[in-house]
Amino acid sequence: DQQVKQNSPSLSVQEGRISILNCDYTNSMFDYFLWYKKYPAEGPTFLISISSIKDKNEDGRFTVFLNKSAKHLSLHIVPSQPGDSAVYFCAASTLTNAGKSTFGDGTTLTVKP
Amino acid sequence: NAGVTQTPKFQVLKTGQSMTLQCAQDMNHEYMSWYRQDPGMGLRLIHYSVGAGITDQGEVPNGYNVSRSTTEDFPLRLLSAAPSQTSVYFCASTRTGVSPLHFGNGTRLTVT
Repeated sequence: DQQVKQNSPSLSVQEGRISILNCDYTNSMFDYFLWYKKYPAEGPTFLISISSIKDKNEDGRFTVFLNKSAKHLSLHIVPSQPGDSAVYFCAASTLTNAGKSTFGDGTTLTVKP
Repeated sequence: NAGVTQTPKFQVLKTGQSMTLQCAQDMNHEYMSWYRQDPGMGLRLIHYSVGAGITDQGEVPNGYNVSRSTTEDFPLRLLSAAPSQTSVYFCASTRTGVSPLHFGNGTRLTVT
């Protein structure tokens, strides 16, 4: 039973437009959610996070929204840039142990110039 | 800043051979972990450690051993490699509590 799901394996958007990446989770114990970005031949790097006491967190062009009742979160990238092309992983954990994260399968984002 | 360093970057093993994947971090992080990533899939937790001398199993621990004798190092041992262990292995570290993982650049392992 996959506890964190990213149902879209890939997403293609035009440069300057909005990219929306989605993630669903099933475990009600999760209260800390993170997004990581991964380029080929590199390890994932942390992008942005949100705890369950908030429903929105912004960092520059990146915003994460959390809908606890729907067990759904989304990452918005505005405006999208070609350098944003990468694999994006959603991860979930508890606030007391963010290191023990459960990951989704990833969404490959392609931003076309 | 070195961060998390993994060696080797690439490795080819024959079935039944053993090897150790090395991981070292210089950030004085208490928590370290090993993940594997198979094609088209996310990262799955193999083993983790919350401090020197303390290790525990993750989601897919079978076929792997770990130990944590120092804060800096967290090696992953394959005792008898199998083709099903062909994967990319990532080591990660973090402070305990609310803190994201810092990943190494991975070891690509092929078992023939």
